[in-house]
Amino acid sequence: EDQVTQSPEALRLQEGESSSLNCSYTVSGLRGLFWYRQDPGKGPEFLFTLYSAGEEKEKERLKATLTKKESFLHITAPKPEDSATYLCAVPWRGSNYKLTFGKGTLLTVNP
Amino acid sequence: NAGVTQTPKFQVLKTGQSMTLQCAQDMNHNSMYWYRQDPGMGLRLIYYSASEGTTDKGEVPNGYNVSRLNKREFSLRLESAAPSQTSVYFCASSLTTGIVHEQYFGPGTRLTVT
Repeated sequence: EDQVTQSPEALRLQEGESSSLNCSYTVSGLRGLFWYRQDPGKGPEFLFTLYSAGEEKEKERLKATLTKKESFLHITAPKPEDSATYLCAVPWRGSNYKLTFGKGTLLTVNP
Repeated sequence: NAGVTQTPKFQVLKTGQSMTLQCAQDMNHNSMYWYRQDPGMGLRLIYYSASEGTTDKGEVPNGYNVSRLNKREFSLRLESAAPSQTSVYFCASSLTTGIVHEQYFGPGTRLTVT
């Protein structure tokens, strides 16, 4: 069974303290990896798509990277407004539609 | 451009009651999805519609039915609600091409079954 594991489950940072979130997956022949941000009481908000190992995407203080076994979401000099749950997802083997989501990392950035 | 919209936002049902959750998208996407999100379980796919006129089961389809009404609308029906269906339900949509595309989510429906 394809699996997506995110770590840590929760991360507390001070404002300005850079760190990384991890998403590891077991599916072979990866055809995409997606990062989302979810605020309490809201739907997931799309952040990045990565399609191949070595690919990187950036948006403001966030940078996503991809290897053959895992992806990292690097957060540089975070601000309190970056506090949210970050989810990653990969397609099911053989499907262009079905995604398996990790359980997420709850990030809290203290001022 | 509203993206993905869902109604209602909140609902309380008694065991055995039925209801339909509505979803619409205005992004001209071919594919639409229904997920449920439970604490400790993450997002799980209930049903999806790859294109208008087609539907297929996801990971947790039991107790649900869906209808792809047209390209814009995809509804989820609970025929006889059970407490185990207490959850937050999200609708999503995506483009359909030869590669896997990101999905865009609605704001969710919070359902409680007593």
